[in-house]
Amino acid sequence: QSALTQPRSVSGSPGQSVTISCTGTSSDVGGYNYVSWYQQHPGKAPKLMIYDVSKRPSGVPDRFSGSKSGNTASLTISGLQAEDEADYYCCSYAGSYTLGVFGGGTKLTVL
Amino acid sequence: QLQLQESGPGLVKPSETLSLTCTVSGGSISSSSYYWGWIRQPPGKGLEWIGSIYYSGSTYYNPSLKSRVTISVDTSKNQFSLKLSSVTAADTAVYYCARLDPPPNLRFDYWGQGTLVTVSS
Repeated sequence: QSALTQPRSVSGSPGQSVTISCTGTSSDVGGYNYVSWYQQHPGKAPKLMIYDVSKRPSGVPDRFSGSKSGNTASLTISGLQAEDEADYYCCSYAGSYTLGVFGGGTKLTVL
Repeated sequence: QLQLQESGPGLVKPSETLSLTCTVSGGSISSSSYYWGWIRQPPGKGLEWIGSIYYSGSTYYNPSLKSRVTISVDTSKNQFSLKLSSVTAADTAVYYCARLDPPPNLRFDYWGQGTLVTVSS
């Protein structure tokens, strides 16, 4: 069970947009529409931002959006704000035996 | 508002068994709509799913940890527990409990604050 591949870091200026990728295989990301994204600030528990590839839980700003193409899922944050600076993790269903796998995480820096 | 709280020893000796409990408040662990899971995060590293359980006792485990992990549920106390045997320093991590949708959704929507467990003699 290999972790999904995410860039170690991304950055952007306030007001700009950034996209974080999450690459897996046809056995996980590419095979199912069950990708979720989590935001984690230092010392805090992860927070659900996106589920089922592109759905937003109540209370999550519409600046956050998700998509998928083939074996790669993406999280896009538009209109970057200082409070968006955090680590972001993707997670995908990976079949009835493995069940779930997380990405390695991406550190977002707001310049 | 649903709340989850992890509890257990913060220090475990190598080769011993790590034991943690997650207490759920503000909702019933016997809800037919959800599973309950454990996730860990070694210091400075990413998240790793450990396993999940349904109130009926049905479980899923990370294949890489399956031989050492047992997750159980106590509906009378609204709690579920994690046991990880034969621990080494590599098991040092912050351990989180969380609520999740049943497979295949895996939407972790409520998390505990996490508890740091250090494996050291």
